[in-house]
This record gives sequence, C-alpha cells and structure tokens, in this order.
Amino acid sequence: GAGVSQSPSNKVTEKGKDVELRCDPISGHTALYWYRQSLGQGLEFLIYFQGNSAPDKSGLPSDRFSAERTGGSVSTLTIQRTQQEDSAVYLCASRSTGSLYGYTFGSGTRLTVV
Amino acid sequence: QQPVQSPQAVILREGEDAVINCSSSKALYSVHWYRQKHGEAPVFLMILLKGGEQKGHEKISASFNEKKQQSSLYLTASQLSYSGTYFCGTATQGAQKLVFGQGTRLTINP
Repeated sequence: GAGVSQSPSNKVTEKGKDVELRCDPISGHTALYWYRQSLGQGLEFLIYFQGNSAPDKSGLPSDRFSAERTGGSVSTLTIQRTQQEDSAVYLCASRSTGSLYGYTFGSGTRLTVV
Repeated sequence: QQPVQSPQAVILREGEDAVINCSSSKALYSVHWYRQKHGEAPVFLMILLKGGEQKGHEKISASFNEKKQQSSLYLTASQLSYSGTYFCGTATQGAQKLVFGQGTRLTINP
C-alpha cells in the first residue's frame, strides 16, 4: 500500500481483556517495528521484525505482550489480560532495507484500558 | 540508553530560528530526525550517518558531531507549519532499532 496501515485506530477495552492490534506495512519493507507512546512522552521500543523473524524483542514490557508477523507482511501485536498501564498509542513503522532509509510510521492505535 | 534532547520546549515567532540538540552517551552510527504533529504519526525528516556530511536543504538542516555524539537540528526562518514535537532517534553500529529521545515541543506563533 501507499503507507503503513494500522487497525483499529481506537480501542477501548476492559481491564483483563485481551486485545489484538494490526499493522500492514508498506509493500516490500522487510523491517517492521512496534513502538509505544504514552501521553506526552517519547517513543518506547517494543519489538523489531526482519521478515517473519523477531531478532529483537527486548522492549516487550512483560509476557502479556506478544507479536507475530506472517508472510513478511502483516504484523499483529497481542496484549493479554490488559492493565490500565497498557493505555497508550501503539505505533507501527516499516522501513526499506538499507541504512539510508527512515521509518514510515502508521497513524497508530490508541488503546484505552478502563 | 535514551538520548537526551534539549530544549524540552521552545516558543518562537514566525521567521525566527531554532536549534534542537540530541546527545547520546553511546557511540552512534546514525541519527534520525522526525516531526510529529498533534494526533498524527511521526514523519521522517532526515538521517545522518557516522562519517557523513551535514544534511538538509533550504530551511531545515542537521549536523552530527561524532566526537561529542551529538546531533543538532537547525530550523531557519521558521514557518507556522514547523510547529510540532521533534524527536531524534539514534542507533549504534549494528543496531537495527532506533532509541528515541523524549522530544522537543516547538511552537511557532504568528
């Protein structure tokens, strides 16, 4: 596609429920990243995919968080047993191969846990 | 470790200049700059690589001081459209992910 697409754009869930966030990167971008941005804060790294592999998942806050990528394309970030501190905007970005390229971010999913 | 940006916020009048700094305690390979407007996704501005030249064109440019592990973003003759939060993202050699600073909020008033 022309850009990085994320869905849903907004998600309100009850504490304890599971949620799935979807990212559809730019076609041909092999690198895919998930970041989290809390209100008024910077971007916190969660996980990096190269193709379908995740060589760096060091930013996942707990074992309630998991992510996968299939077909070298769509990625899903799953949060189990959501907590209020999980409330944030979850941003996905993709990047073409090579060190000269910047990230293209999606518009994000705003997650609110009530 | 997260790079440190300064200042945290700056307010200018249209036409004034601004400098935003990004410092790291680690030896950097690359520095990215992004601008994020309220409620929108961050947008890539430019990338600077170790050993590379100063980047940019027209009124937005950036430099990378390898000795100080510091990058600076220069906005000259600022326009209203420059308002937003600017983030630097840094990567060390071999790293595949960016670590972002906390952001600098730039407000341009008429």
